[in-house]
Amino acid sequence: GENVEQHPSTLSVQEGDSAVIKCTYSDSASNYFPWYKQELGKRPQLIIDIRSNVGEKKDQRIAVTLNKTAKHFSLHITETQPEDSAVYFCAASHNSGNTPLVFGKGTRLSVIA
Amino acid sequence: EPEVTQTPSHQVTQMGQEVILRCVPISNHLYFYWYRQILGQKVEFLVSFYNNEISEKSEIFDDQFSVERPDGSNFTLKIRSTKLEDSAMYFCASSPIGLSSTDTQYFGPGTRLTVL
Repeated sequence: GENVEQHPSTLSVQEGDSAVIKCTYSDSASNYFPWYKQELGKRPQLIIDIRSNVGEKKDQRIAVTLNKTAKHFSLHITETQPEDSAVYFCAASHNSGNTPLVFGKGTRLSVIA
Repeated sequence: EPEVTQTPSHQVTQMGQEVILRCVPISNHLYFYWYRQILGQKVEFLVSFYNNEISEKSEIFDDQFSVERPDGSNFTLKIRSTKLEDSAMYFCASSPIGLSSTDTQYFGPGTRLTVL
């Protein structure tokens, strides 16, 4: 089955700097890769996703890149703000319609003001 | 914006007791899921449900677990005889059937289950 590895487990950055979180996956059939942000005690919230027919997607300060050959995808947050502090999870699933998400272990991002 | 809701927010139970966790998915969604997250660990898939039957289940979802859609709005997870290791945050999620073949899953706020 699919296995998703996520690094780093913790990441501290100064406000205004960029943060990069990386994930690798094992199943070449996976082609949907969402990123969720989870603030303490709250639900995971989808922040951006990418499908395998594109290599990069941007939404304001957030971007995701996908390298299908290498089976890895990354989340990039630019101009970080204290409210970006949270746990970020990457996930992967098959494009066969509403299949289960396999999550990485999460990255705790701390943005220091 | 519609959201998935879950009740209760926190459930404390004794080992061996049955618990039912409740979810109200987003109203026009057709796929429903349960995930769990043991404290400090990753979110893990338990089961998916579509068209009034289980679509997929993980190895975690053993005979102690069951799911039901008892009416047009609720989606429940029952744990028949709880164990200490069932203590976790349980998330319900739902997704629509859209034009794309993969749809976004929207998560509820979770139920924290504590088994004593």
